[in-house]
Amino acid sequence: EAGVTQFPSHSVIEKGQTVTLRCDPISGHDNLYWYRRVMGKEIKFLLHFVKESKQDESGMPNNRFLAERTGGTYSTLKVQPAELEDSGVYFCASSLDGIQETQYFGPGTRLLVL
Amino acid sequence: DQQVKQNSPSLSVQEGRISILNCDYTNSMFDYFLWYKKYPAEGPTFLISISSIKDKNEDGRFTVFLNKSAKHLSLHIVPSQPGDSAVYFCAASAIKRGGTYKYIFGTGTRLKVLA
Repeated sequence: EAGVTQFPSHSVIEKGQTVTLRCDPISGHDNLYWYRRVMGKEIKFLLHFVKESKQDESGMPNNRFLAERTGGTYSTLKVQPAELEDSGVYFCASSLDGIQETQYFGPGTRLLVL
Repeated sequence: DQQVKQNSPSLSVQEGRISILNCDYTNSMFDYFLWYKKYPAEGPTFLISISSIKDKNEDGRFTVFLNKSAKHLSLHIVPSQPGDSAVYFCAASAIKRGGTYKYIFGTGTRLKVLA
């Protein structure tokens, strides 16, 4: 069974540009989460999809971040325009059932905004 | 305000000895706790979990202890092996109204097992 995949693995962009991150969850997993880790800090929750619906987006930093999950399969996270403080590692995770079900993480996308 | 704290950023242990990683939390509504292991350039990998109705859960060399009154949990690795060298994240969750379920992570502890 394929795990959670994320693309790209790395992205280096300049301040003001746009970047789109993609996550493909484990097949059949309705729950998809986005997290971010800024250098040396905790892994911070961004948002949670159940199928195509946003269940909880309380962790989204501001309106420069837009997440979508059309069709309830893969998800994209767009940052527009990117700022220096958006640099970090963006992780995607998925789970079968949202209630105390283990979340499986992807390898992350390392974003560097210059 | 961090709800999950890992106060030791790093820990070194000799191979074969016990590794003890600690985690404290502040939110009494947390009812599920997990440990994840992370190697460089990889995503966190689930290691072991414990529900708040238990005080201990064991899986092979890994045991998690939960002390609800102290709001403290720990991960014991016995015996430690060089392949255990990684960053360990403690995470906690609470079921919210509507069934949302997110993890709150600590900042991680880097474990180095010396051969």
